[in-house]
Amino acid sequence: GAVVSQHPSRVICKSGTSVKIECRSLDFQATTMFWYRQFPKKSLMLMATSNEGSKATYEQGVEKDKFLINHASLTLSTLTVTSAHPEDSSFYICSASPRGSYNEQFFGPGTRLTVL
Amino acid sequence: AQSVAQPEDQVNVAEGNPLTVKCTYSVSGNPYLFWYVQYPNRGLQFLLKYITGDNLVKGSYGFEAEFNKSQTSFHLKKPSALVSDSALYFCAVRARIYGQNFVFGPGTRLSVLP
Repeated sequence: GAVVSQHPSRVICKSGTSVKIECRSLDFQATTMFWYRQFPKKSLMLMATSNEGSKATYEQGVEKDKFLINHASLTLSTLTVTSAHPEDSSFYICSASPRGSYNEQFFGPGTRLTVL
Repeated sequence: AQSVAQPEDQVNVAEGNPLTVKCTYSVSGNPYLFWYVQYPNRGLQFLLKYITGDNLVKGSYGFEAEFNKSQTSFHLKKPSALVSDSALYFCAVRARIYGQNFVFGPGTRLSVLP
């Protein structure tokens, strides 16, 4: 149980285009989902916390207009990188907390974004 | 503010030897503590957590960790390392306060040599 999927696993795009990454909790309802960014050989940086049905809470320094987060249902959150630039290239990881269990975080496999 | 330190960027150990990956934390009040492992180009996999109760926590793949409140530490251990344990290990903490998020340490790369 407690599986989180991400799609796509890898994406390459041209500079200026937008990319959408999906995060799904497959066998549980996730009231809260988290989006992290990980640079090579670095730790995870929390970008934002998304709660189903409400606006995401962004961490300081993260541009909310550039990284659009939507948590439309209890099993799906999306991260859209708008007008992507090479510096947005990174490994993006989502995680999900089951309803009523804020101590649990189950991580997706990550999405490698490369912006040319 | 919450913070997590993993003082070693890299830990090398011979296969069959015991391993320790260190973690210390700073948080207001009693913490929730976690260890995750990450293999190349993968997300994080949960190893174990301390919520309450016994300070020695046993987790997946033979790993265990001991919560030491006085030393604010939560070191990860395994009695006999395997080459397949080679990966990146993250310690994380969360305060027992509603709305507090997880804070991850910088990670420690474990290399188990055959």
